[in-house]
Amino acid sequence: QVQLKESGPGLVQPSETLSLTCTVSGFSLTSNSVHWVRQPPGKGLEWMGIIRSGGSTDYNSALKSRLSISRDTSKSQVFLKMNSLQTEDTAIYYCTRGVAPYYWGQGVMVTVSS
Amino acid sequence: DIQMTQSPSLLSASVGDRVTINCKASQNINKYLNWYQQKLGEAPKLLIYNTNNLQTGIPSRFSGSGSGTDYTLTISSLQPEDFGTYFCFQHNSWPYTFGAGTKLELK
Repeated sequence: QVQLKESGPGLVQPSETLSLTCTVSGFSLTSNSVHWVRQPPGKGLEWMGIIRSGGSTDYNSALKSRLSISRDTSKSQVFLKMNSLQTEDTAIYYCTRGVAPYYWGQGVMVTVSS
Repeated sequence: DIQMTQSPSLLSASVGDRVTINCKASQNINKYLNWYQQKLGEAPKLLIYNTNNLQTGIPSRFSGSGSGTDYTLTISSLQPEDFGTYFCFQHNSWPYTFGAGTKLELK
């Protein structure tokens, strides 16, 4: 069955770079898009970006200068890298599959703090 | 970027009530509007895609309508398991955007 699982550090220092991995199973990255969505504690959802089946990407305008999404199809993994982290980047980070988000991972909590 | 204005932000209702949640886009999104439900501590769940298509397994008391810039989610008869937060999401134009959410609570 379709599964997505996010992994990464739970704590990141301010100004450092966040690196997250989304490991998928049950489908091919070359046939499906994967999005990243985040949610600060107690707040709403923010669409961050997408990597499409062909490998092209699009990003949230507000994050575009700091964000990069890539993948390794042989390992069924999608990567998120975001630099210059600040406390307001503290959030649950989800990877999701679909033309629009449909299948979701469980999310990974990332805290930005010194 | 397309802004999604969702209303109300908080909705108090009782079991059996008919409730509506609205989403207004800052420009025409051609019915590329999804609705998600999120319960505390869980990932969002897709309820309706492309304005009025019920996702498999979602009860028929949920329905969606709209066109152009204005969209509505309706729950015909609220059930105890329907309480939570609802988000609209446009996927007509990049970058995609979510509404701010509507928290549906028990009156």
